[in-house]
Amino acid sequence: QQQVKQSPQSLIVQKGGISIINCAYENTAFDYFPWYQQFPGKGPALLIAIRPDVSEKKEGRFTISFNKSAKQFSLHIMDSQPGDSATYFCAASMDTGRRALTFGSGTRLQVQP
Amino acid sequence: GAVVSQHPSRVICKSGTSVKIECRSLDFQATTMFWYRQFPKKSLMLMATSNEGSKATYEQGVEKDKFLINHASLTLSTLTVTSAHPEDSSFYICSAPRQGGYYGYTFGSGTRLTVV
Repeated sequence: QQQVKQSPQSLIVQKGGISIINCAYENTAFDYFPWYQQFPGKGPALLIAIRPDVSEKKEGRFTISFNKSAKQFSLHIMDSQPGDSATYFCAASMDTGRRALTFGSGTRLQVQP
Repeated sequence: GAVVSQHPSRVICKSGTSVKIECRSLDFQATTMFWYRQFPKKSLMLMATSNEGSKATYEQGVEKDKFLINHASLTLSTLTVTSAHPEDSSFYICSAPRQGGYYGYTFGSGTRLTVV
């Protein structure tokens, strides 16, 4: 599997602040970049996803920024809430989502009230 | 739509026994199913890819004789952990590509396997 590198490993943010998680990839064949949220004991849930022909996508408080030339993408969570405390994974796949996802290592986000 | 139902959600078994995990696509036909394993506080690692009617493709380092995958129908894929040992204790998750030209994946809710 091709690697997707994710940072930071953990993140503490105050309520109302902005949470930023970064990912970098190497395989230029990747064409689908989702972010997942996972709570303990649950499967991952899709937050937002982007394709490489778009540089930014926003859905509610969640924004993906995508830099194709740098092979990097990031998740911004605006107005972070305690309920956002979870583990976040970036991922990538190819063949328009028909191949398996390659996941980043995960970021444990804690939003303090 | 595009729901994958995974059972059981939790299972405890004795060392040396076998455990079967099922993933059913409820409202679509899953020609492909991906099986992931996740250790505590770690990421999801692809174990194998199953395609309906053919042999599964296993990732490097995954023992195919230990993790038996069957995808005999378009709505059911199963993972059997044979002769389970405590080191097989993990969270197992299945996932299928979405259908109808949509990008993305549908995930099962996961199975927590504990081998004692």
